[in-house]
Amino acid sequence: DGGITQSPKYLFRKEGQNVTLSCEQNLNHDAMYWYRQDPGQGLRLIYYSQIVNDFQKGDIAEGYSVSREKKESFPLTVTSAQKNPTAFYLCASSMGRVVTGELFFGEGSRLTVL
Amino acid sequence: GNSVTQMEGPVTLSEEAFLTINCTYTATGYPSLFWYVQYPGEGLQLLLKATKADDKGSNKGFEATYRKETTSFHLEKGSVQVSDSAVYFCALSENTGTASKLTFGTGTRLQVTL
Repeated sequence: DGGITQSPKYLFRKEGQNVTLSCEQNLNHDAMYWYRQDPGQGLRLIYYSQIVNDFQKGDIAEGYSVSREKKESFPLTVTSAQKNPTAFYLCASSMGRVVTGELFFGEGSRLTVL
Repeated sequence: GNSVTQMEGPVTLSEEAFLTINCTYTATGYPSLFWYVQYPGEGLQLLLKATKADDKGSNKGFEATYRKETTSFHLEKGSVQVSDSAVYFCALSENTGTASKLTFGTGTRLQVTL
């Protein structure tokens, strides 16, 4: 079945450690996105990529990094510089510009910093 | 900048009750409007959308009409079911430029009881 796979589903990390969240899609979509979800704040855009080897900062990119070396993969690294990393992270993709299409979401990764 | 404002939840209804979840927006240009739904433990999925003023999006008994004069996109359903219990997100996307991303509201949790 086509879709978006995020891993791991749950992740615990100690303060000062970097962690990488995986996002893979087999929908042949050009664009991919990372959102962060916090209670009472909805979804906020971290980074997005419209083509391979290119990506743009979203509204809250500080403390995060991404790469887009393959069309189907868009990993997110949460660095030690991110001050409040505990959150639910959602990866999404779209066929083209999202104004006409829809975003397809993965099931999310919950990161907890101990 | 763009923003989306949703009514705070949780909204608690009995089965077969009428549902309204209010959504208003602020945007430059002519946005497309969306409602996404998030069931417990899952990512978001598109519920319905409208791409221009006076359009009505509908799906699974839910409806929303794009009202440009009141900058609103309220979600309605005539008779809710327990299975509709979820978090509902209103979102917008600009139709101009090359940016391809959604701005989400904070979400409204719906709880439907027997």
